[in-house]
Amino acid sequence: DAKTTQPPSMDCAEGRAANLPCNHSTISGNEYVYWYRQIHSQGPQYIIHGLKNNETNEMASLIITEDRKSSTLILPHATLRDTAVYYCIVTNFGNEKLTFGTGTRLTIIP
Amino acid sequence: NAGVTQTPKFRILKIGQSMTLQCAQDMNHNYMYWYRQDPGMGLKLIYYSVGAGITDKGEVPNGYNVSRSTTEDFPLRLELAAPSQTSVYFCASSYGLGYSEQYFGPGTRLTVT
Repeated sequence: DAKTTQPPSMDCAEGRAANLPCNHSTISGNEYVYWYRQIHSQGPQYIIHGLKNNETNEMASLIITEDRKSSTLILPHATLRDTAVYYCIVTNFGNEKLTFGTGTRLTIIP
Repeated sequence: NAGVTQTPKFRILKIGQSMTLQCAQDMNHNYMYWYRQDPGMGLKLIYYSVGAGITDKGEVPNGYNVSRSTTEDFPLRLELAAPSQTSVYFCASSYGLGYSEQYFGPGTRLTVT
């Protein structure tokens, strides 16, 4: 699986869009980008995934650059409940063995 | 649906004791997983199963055993507990077959002293 690089921490004001970057410059053509988050030592929660097109669901949007070497998770209107560690994971389609790094600790500021 | 459930929530073991961490899911998922998470670190895969009767090692299997006799249950056995096994243990499940959205349980916090 491709290695990912994320900033260790970020702050965002409540109500603003939170943009979390992820670098995956060694991603291969059949690898997907997944995002999970972990709120205060709870079990991780799936957010969104994509291959090359931008994706949006009720939780977030995922923007993947055209060369697929980086991506950004966007939480459009961050709330205090979005304070969590966010993990960017790159894995082959069908590979169920996810590799979690240390993620980005996002703090939403009131 | 209860989703993925884990018992116990907390446990303290003495060195050399054994125990079984229980995990169950009611979503009819084929795949199940066990992860451990040490303080300030990401999750590491211990074992996983792609169906009843089939298990395989993950990244850190030493000191653990698993079995999968039913689709619903995936217990993790610790034999001869060591301080290095102090961690938070998460069980997860997924449909498998390319659907990598995993659903996690609430975790078991284990301390070995």
